[in-house]
Amino acid sequence: EAGVAQSPRYKIIEKRQSVAFWCNPISGHATLYWYQQILGQGPKLLIQFQNNGVVDDSQLPKDRFSAERLKGVDSTLKIQPAKLEDSAVYLCASRITFGTNANYGYTFGSGTRLTVV
Amino acid sequence: SQQGEEDPQALSIQEGENATMNCSYKTSINNLQWYRQNSGRGLVHLILIRSNEREKHSGRLRVTLDTSKKSSSLLITASRAADTASYFCATGSGNQFYFGTGTSLTVIP
Repeated sequence: EAGVAQSPRYKIIEKRQSVAFWCNPISGHATLYWYQQILGQGPKLLIQFQNNGVVDDSQLPKDRFSAERLKGVDSTLKIQPAKLEDSAVYLCASRITFGTNANYGYTFGSGTRLTVV
Repeated sequence: SQQGEEDPQALSIQEGENATMNCSYKTSINNLQWYRQNSGRGLVHLILIRSNEREKHSGRLRVTLDTSKKSSSLLITASRAADTASYFCATGSGNQFYFGTGTSLTVIP
């Protein structure tokens, strides 16, 4: 089974520039998540999709972050404009089912390390 | 906060020793998961324990859950240098899992 694919692996941009990250989840996984992990911290959920609909985006800074999951498969996360504090690893994860009352964990991609200078 | 908190923040042991790390949380949960993260990589799912379970084993891993104390522990027996990583607990409540801040484990060969 192929894993969760993310690209690019690394990105360095100047503040106020724009950046986009791409994620291809495991085939058949209905739920897709974007997490932000700042160095030394645990992952923080940014947005959760169920198929192509947004389930939870309460922690997404919507003035600068946006995400979409067209056709319920691939997803892109965009930051525009970037700030210094956006430097982090952006992790995509997928899960076969929705909700926490089931015996399935997440499958994570390797992440995109963003550095804003 | 709904996220778990791992303890200790950092742990250094000799190869062959056992490593124990703990997770405390504040809200009621459906289940709890443990993940491993090697430096510069994504998280790898290790084990999931449901709220009605008290102990679960997987290879050299043993997880306990005490819902009355809102705490869980992860025991890695006979540690290896390859176990060096950060370990996170994730508590599942509602439709989300909330990750803790992690325990950094170093196993010295």
